[in-house]
Amino acid sequence: DVKVTQSSRYLVKRTGEKVFLECVQDMDHENMFWYRQDPGLGLRLIYFSYDVKMKEKGDIPEGYSVSREKKERFSLILESASTNQTSMYLCASATTSLVGHEQFFGPGTRLTVL
Amino acid sequence: QKEVEQNSGPLSVPEGAIASLNCTYSDRGSQSFFWYRQYSGKSPELIMSIYSNGDKEDGRFTAQLNKASQYVSLLIRDSQPSDSATYLCAFQDASGGSYIPTFGRGTSLIVHP
Repeated sequence: DVKVTQSSRYLVKRTGEKVFLECVQDMDHENMFWYRQDPGLGLRLIYFSYDVKMKEKGDIPEGYSVSREKKERFSLILESASTNQTSMYLCASATTSLVGHEQFFGPGTRLTVL
Repeated sequence: QKEVEQNSGPLSVPEGAIASLNCTYSDRGSQSFFWYRQYSGKSPELIMSIYSNGDKEDGRFTAQLNKASQYVSLLIRDSQPSDSATYLCAFQDASGGSYIPTFGRGTSLIVHP
């Protein structure tokens, strides 16, 4: 079974702090994604990576950065946390195939910025 | 802009009934379609994928795809209270080299005893 793990289930940070969210997958997937999910807004893509050291902006990259130094690990960084970044953060991984690929999600990190 | 439209619901059905969830999408080039289930406070999990026109059945779940009408649906037979969740529809056009699926905002399903 594909397993995607995230470093924390719940996190509380203060405005201005630097926040690291880590995601690890154990299925050798090429593609990894970071989303945030807010009520009424659905899943919104922040960044994705299709290979080590490669990254692409998603729909809402402002205020975030990412790092992928190893294939299995994809980190999301909030350089200076703000209250509007309070949200559920979901990491996902997927293999590459010609017909599209299913995404496997981690359990999520509920981040509260005070 | 690729879009997925889903009725947000809630869709309420009695236990044992058939629940029908619908989704329309904007991208005619889409090849891959997915249904995810998300319980409250949990992350989405894949329950069905479909790539060809027609029906695909897996246990109590049937996905139906009509590419001409740009329409995909999910039928849940013999609905159970444990099926109560939000169902997300997603599509993807892998032929264009895109690695990114487009998700709908989900339909909330309530199965009452």
